[in-house]
Amino acid sequence: KQEVTQIPAALSVPEGENLVLNCSFTDSAIYNLQWFRQDPGKGLTSLLLIQSSQREQTSGRLNASLDKSSGRSTLYIAASQPGDSATYLCAVQINGFKTIFGAGTRLFVKA
Amino acid sequence: SQTIHQWPATLVQPVGSPLSLECTVEGTSNPNLYWYRQAAGRGLQLLFYSVGIGQISSEVPQNLSASRPQDRQFILSSKKLLLSDSGFYLCAWSWGNSGNTIYFGEGSWLTVV
Repeated sequence: KQEVTQIPAALSVPEGENLVLNCSFTDSAIYNLQWFRQDPGKGLTSLLLIQSSQREQTSGRLNASLDKSSGRSTLYIAASQPGDSATYLCAVQINGFKTIFGAGTRLFVKA
Repeated sequence: SQTIHQWPATLVQPVGSPLSLECTVEGTSNPNLYWYRQAAGRGLQLLFYSVGIGQISSEVPQNLSASRPQDRQFILSSKKLLLSDSGFYLCAWSWGNSGNTIYFGEGSWLTVV
């Protein structure tokens, strides 16, 4: 059974700091891995999608890596800003229609 | 461009009352549609998914049901709500059968009292 774990559960950093969010999964047989952002009381916004054959994806200040063999992904946020404060969720797609989500990391960036 | 609408955004319902949450997608055809529930501090739980009109797959036995009367419409229902049905419900869509981004609606907060 696929399980997705995100560490840390919460993180507080000063503005401008570079940071890394971690995601681990137990079964390497995945279609893809996605990182989402969720603001309080809102839906999820897709940030980056890494296909199983890829190693990383970049969008602006965000970079996500995928190591299937070790069951790990990291989301790197460069030069963090207060507007980056949100919950970040990692999710792995295990078949055509089923995606397993982690519980998320709550990020607070202090001005 | 594609958009997803979900309503109502918030509702408070008494125990034993019925429920209907509706979701529609615009700008695409034959999407895969999903209903998720999110509990506080936990990951999203897939409740139902649909690959076409009238085709519903249930992931978790529960007090809820789903229907897809039209290609881009997905409805989550209950005949009699339980206190444990309270939560944040999210509709989502994707396209194709593998490797594609999932797009979420804004969610519906349900409080059963």
